[in-house]
Amino acid sequence: EVQLVESGGGLVQPGGSLRLSCAASGFTFSHYEVNWVRQAPGKGLEWISYISSSGSTIYYADSVKGRLTISRDNAKNSLYLQMNSLRAEDTAIYYCAAGSIDYWGQGTLVTVSS
Amino acid sequence: EIVLTQSPGTLSLSPGERATLSCRASQSVSSSYLAWHQQKPGQAPRLLIYGASSRATGIPDRFSGSGSGTDFTLTISRLEPEDFAVYYCQQYGTSPLTFGPGTKVDIK
Repeated sequence: EVQLVESGGGLVQPGGSLRLSCAASGFTFSHYEVNWVRQAPGKGLEWISYISSSGSTIYYADSVKGRLTISRDNAKNSLYLQMNSLRAEDTAIYYCAAGSIDYWGQGTLVTVSS
Repeated sequence: EIVLTQSPGTLSLSPGERATLSCRASQSVSSSYLAWHQQKPGQAPRLLIYGASSRATGIPDRFSGSGSGTDFTLTISRLEPEDFAVYYCQQYGTSPLTFGPGTKVDIK
């Protein structure tokens, strides 16, 4: 069974940092490109970052460029999102999603508030 | 980037009725790389349709997708109680990947 399990969310003050993780199982993670997609409360889906299967190609949405860093460790079947200089508008559920998007994780909630 | 527009915003129907959801792209979607996702309250989205018309694993055949170029449609032939949800179209043919704003299918 394909599983993507996010962790690392929580409450952080504006300007703070968080590191999200996504653990993959049930498929050959190293063969898949992976994305981070977020959903603000009551809103739609917003793609924010992409990493290729090897990690050699990375893209970011303009809204997060320079503040978020995506990475992966294929040996650990894991995806990461380092989030710095967080703002109130970054409050959302963050999903990892494998492929183009074929599989979704259950999401982890990030709340940026003082 | 490719902007996706979905209509209607909300579709109010009864169980057993047919639902027709539209997704229009601001430019042609490469190789019909258009997907549909379903999201129920409090749950993560799940993939229904990819490649404009191919059902994902385990998706019932009452769900069908069609279209090409800039105009795409998701059809639910007979609504079951579990189908009342929000549906998002998504293109993955051109970077960045983009989503439509969603169509909510609710019970009339």
